[in-house]
Amino acid sequence: QKEVEQNSGPLSVPEGAIASLNCTYSDRGSQSFFWYRQYSGKSPELIMSIYSNGDKEDGRFTAQLNKASQYVSLLIRDSQPSDSATYLCAVGKVTGGGNKLTFGTGTQLKVEL
Amino acid sequence: SAVISQKPSRDICQRGTSLTIQCQVDSQVTMMFWYRQQPGQSLTLIATANQGSEATYESGFVIDKFPISRPNLTFSTLTVSNMSPEDSSIYLCSVIQGQETQYFGPGTRLLVL
Repeated sequence: QKEVEQNSGPLSVPEGAIASLNCTYSDRGSQSFFWYRQYSGKSPELIMSIYSNGDKEDGRFTAQLNKASQYVSLLIRDSQPSDSATYLCAVGKVTGGGNKLTFGTGTQLKVEL
Repeated sequence: SAVISQKPSRDICQRGTSLTIQCQVDSQVTMMFWYRQQPGQSLTLIATANQGSEATYESGFVIDKFPISRPNLTFSTLTVSNMSPEDSSIYLCSVIQGQETQYFGPGTRLLVL
């Protein structure tokens, strides 16, 4: 079982629709959760962070965390073609070496006109 | 967030040679990390760069292959030694700012022939 699992996609949604990206993780001791967006040929860019159960909203983005189910999701409302990218889920845990992130393989999102 | 720069942005190298990648941050940061992203894959942590002491390497990565320096709180280098085509990858440095949030540099794209 992978530590952080994501559907690789591609996930195709029409412009203006809601895109729903999902991620599951295996380590119950995980403490922090992040969504990064990565455009082709670019480095990852932080979109959202979430640390406690429930929803966290920032503009068109909502992160949802359910620690009991070991599940974190990202909703993108009113999807735009510029949202087309790979979305990486990252799960963090503080160890002796600091806060280490484990990344999923990413979900490719395509927003179609 | 911190402004992170990397040099070189890309390089093409011959097998058996070594390349040193530099990472510069515009403010002092406690934690710096080096990641590798192989083509079509997610990010894998190579090591944590520790200021004034030896880096902490993840399983599968060794100091002889990936020596790391961190002389101060704003700068680090990663050397990819005795390169082979399997080392072709994007190498990213990242830093932690705020509450456990990691930000990434622009990356160094390496092709080994």
